[in-house]
Amino acid sequence: AQKITQTQPGMFVQEKEAVTLDCTYDTSDQSYGLFWYKQPSSGEMIFLIYQGSYDEQNATEGRYSLNFQKARKSANLVISASQLGDSAMYFCAMREPYAGGTSYGKLTFGQGTILTVHP
Amino acid sequence: NAGVTQTPKFQVLKTGQSMTLQCAQDMNHNSMYWYRQDPGMGLRLIYYSASEGTTDKGEVPNGYNVSRLNKREFSLRLESAAPSQTSVYFCASTTRRDTTYEQYFGPGTRLTVT
Repeated sequence: AQKITQTQPGMFVQEKEAVTLDCTYDTSDQSYGLFWYKQPSSGEMIFLIYQGSYDEQNATEGRYSLNFQKARKSANLVISASQLGDSAMYFCAMREPYAGGTSYGKLTFGQGTILTVHP
Repeated sequence: NAGVTQTPKFQVLKTGQSMTLQCAQDMNHNSMYWYRQDPGMGLRLIYYSASEGTTDKGEVPNGYNVSRLNKREFSLRLESAAPSQTSVYFCASTTRRDTTYEQYFGPGTRLTVT
């Protein structure tokens, strides 16, 4: 069974500084994927970034980058130049292996990390 | 392009009542999912539909049924609501683009069962 662990219930960062949100995972599969989502206080789930297990380079999307260390089974999210609007809950999630056909796998979520950005 | 839409946004039910949560996506995605999020927790998968005409149980399927009406629509039904089903329900759809995956969520339905 897959498991996602986010050990930081809450994190604080100063505006314009970088912050790293931790995510470790456990799986016996060779093919998997890792997502990060942002959930602001309004409640919607916003897709941030995706990393496939076979991707050799770390994924980047604007100010978001994923520090993927496969041997350590970690997929930390790095947010550069934090903004006040980054204050939210952040979830790490893992996709099950691609099962072929049109099945893209289910997601298992971590417990989340609440990020607070101070001015 | 509306993405993933859900109705209703809010609902209050009495124990034992039934209701159907509706979800639709206009991105031509094959796979659709229903998750629930309890306070302070991550999302847990209730049911999913890998493609039109198929549905499968997720982690917490008890007390729910689903219907994949067509490629666009995936509904979640509570036959006899219980207070333990008080939660926020999210519908999602997924696609694979080249070597990456995208999974988009609807805005959620906040359900209270009294």
